Amino acid sequence: GAVVSQHPSRVICKSGTSVKIECRSLDFQATTMFWYRQFPKKSLMLMATSNEGSKATYEQGVEKDKFLINHASLTLSTLTVTSAHPEDSSFYICSADYTFGSGTRLTVV
Amino acid sequence: GENVEQHPSTLSVQEGDSAVIKCTYSDSASNYFPWYKQELGKRPQLIIDIRSNVGEKKDQRIAVTLNKTAKHFSLHITETQPEDSAVYFCAASKVAGNQFYFGTGTSLTVIP
Repeated sequence: GAVVSQHPSRVICKSGTSVKIECRSLDFQATTMFWYRQFPKKSLMLMATSNEGSKATYEQGVEKDKFLINHASLTLSTLTVTSAHPEDSSFYICSADYTFGSGTRLTVV
Repeated sequence: GENVEQHPSTLSVQEGDSAVIKCTYSDSASNYFPWYKQELGKRPQLIIDIRSNVGEKKDQRIAVTLNKTAKHFSLHITETQPEDSAVYFCAASKVAGNQFYFGTGTSLTVIP
């Protein structure tokens, strides 16, 4: 079956810095990938759709300048949380082809 | 956009009993409905799915039913076991888009 790899699994960063999260499709090509955010004991909220070779499509209420998405190849999408704040602390998870990555626990201190 | 509601938020059953989780969706264009199981700190795992041209699907102890007219679908787990304890999410999507809108989750506890 499809395998999606996400890195890093955990990251702690200081307020004001930027953090990049990678999502890779290991055994298939993904023209589209999806980024979700999950708060503790809450559901997964779709943040944006990452489109290979074009701009990402953001869900209502998600700041595109805050959460930069790049999908430069058919196997890699990146999410960069810019100028991170403590309220950005969350579990970020990507998906492609109905398969989820392992998630990234971001803590902003 | 799509709005998926899920009930109950928590569910406790005795081992061996059945568990039922229900979801409703709002967008009649949605035609793919997966169910995911998420254990603490882990990624969601697809356990079963159903497409809108099917009313019911079963895989061993797990079954899903879909009422397209009423826009609701349900997950049924029979002969529950302690290892079934987890959070379960329903989702709805349009197959072509492949983006999911999730329900709020159900925390299932199976009591030995």
